[in-house]
Amino acid sequence: ETGVTQSPTHLIKTRGQQVTLRCSSQSGHNTVSWYQQALGQGPQFIFQYYREEENGRGNFPPRFSGLQFPNYSSELNVNALELDDSALYLCASSGGGLNTEAFFGQGTRLTVV
Amino acid sequence: AQSVTQLDSQVPVFEEAPVELRCNYSSSVSVYLFWYVQYPNQGLQLLLKYLSGSTLVESINGFEAEFNKSQTSFHLRKPSVHISDTAEYFCAVSVFQGAQKLVFGQGTRLTINP
Repeated sequence: ETGVTQSPTHLIKTRGQQVTLRCSSQSGHNTVSWYQQALGQGPQFIFQYYREEENGRGNFPPRFSGLQFPNYSSELNVNALELDDSALYLCASSGGGLNTEAFFGQGTRLTVV
Repeated sequence: AQSVTQLDSQVPVFEEAPVELRCNYSSSVSVYLFWYVQYPNQGLQLLLKYLSGSTLVESINGFEAEFNKSQTSFHLRKPSVHISDTAEYFCAVSVFQGAQKLVFGQGTRLTINP
């Protein structure tokens, strides 16, 4: 059983650019959630994908978008990067349901300069 | 709206001393509660969870947490800490708002001094 993997682990972008982060979910998991963790803060829910459809979204602007593929892997896209987008982006996969465990990847550290 | 408050941002303790990391939640519905640990430059790892049943839940590395409905608390404890327990600890509640999501507290940085 493979765990959740994210790529890249680190990247640096310039304000105004676009970025794509990738996540491979754990085997057998059809639900992927993305979280943003700013420095010194707890993770904040961005959105969730279930069977290739977005089925929930946190308080993030439309320039944060995503995709889920038939193999349940996922992408997070951020357009028009702002300095405040600098954070650790975490992907979590689960089998769905309130009482199921979410397994997290190691995260992608995004720095916007 | 559901929320989680971790009452201490930093907790320094000496090795082999006991520790308690405090967590309070607000929720008007049934709750599922979690503690996650984050080691430096890593993602989150599940430490333990309360779903139902016994209010005292334990992890494999000596941590335990007790669900207290009347006090809306889910404090994390360990009777004797090790240097390797140095990490950031996050309390979270699972909620459904269009999607199942975790609402996290701000985190508590546990520092173990020799």
